Amino acid sequence: DAGVTQSPTHLIKTRGQQVTLRCSPKSGHDTVSWYQQALGQGPQFIFQYYEEEERQRGNFPDRFSGHQFPNYSSELNVNALLLGDSALYLCASSLSRTGARIYEQYFGPGTRLTVT
Amino acid sequence: KNQVEQSPQSLIILEGKNCTLQCNYTVSPFSNLRWYKQDTGRGPVSLTIMTFSENTKSNGRYTATLDADTKQSSLHITASQLSDSASYICVVTEIKAAGNKLTFGGGTRVLVKP
Repeated sequence: DAGVTQSPTHLIKTRGQQVTLRCSPKSGHDTVSWYQQALGQGPQFIFQYYEEEERQRGNFPDRFSGHQFPNYSSELNVNALLLGDSALYLCASSLSRTGARIYEQYFGPGTRLTVT
Repeated sequence: KNQVEQSPQSLIILEGKNCTLQCNYTVSPFSNLRWYKQDTGRGPVSLTIMTFSENTKSNGRYTATLDADTKQSSLHITASQLSDSASYICVVTEIKAAGNKLTFGGGTRVLVKP
């Protein structure tokens, strides 16, 4: 049973470019959340996708957008890259169940994005 | 604003010694609190999960405590090993109508020296 997978592992882009990161959730999971983690900081919530819709969003500009496909995999797109977008981007998957008290998220290994 | 604050930011301990990490939160309404271990450049891995009714939870040499009244949690590492060198992140789940939301602390970076 594969866990959460992300691609690519590393990526180098220049300012102003656009980037797409990909995530495949753990088998059986239907919800994908994306996080940005700057060096030495805790992860910051970007947004969450469920049933191919953005369900929640953190304090990130519209340059950050996403998509979820029918097979539950997800993409994170960042337009007009800034130097400050350099970070580890983490994807986490979970199963949305009504009434569930324990909300288990499994994280992928992350994609290291460097903007020069 | 819901927040999760961790202390210390970093610490160095000798192999075999114990240490305790702290987490204070203001998240409400609260669903559960978990501690993650994150190796450098890797995704976080869950160590313990506690609901508001649980006071303590152990996972091997890791023991987490929770005081929901004071909104404080701690993670105790016993007989530290070199492989314990990592960041430890406290995460609090907030109950929201649109789906639970996780709020992360900034982490405590632990370095275990031989």
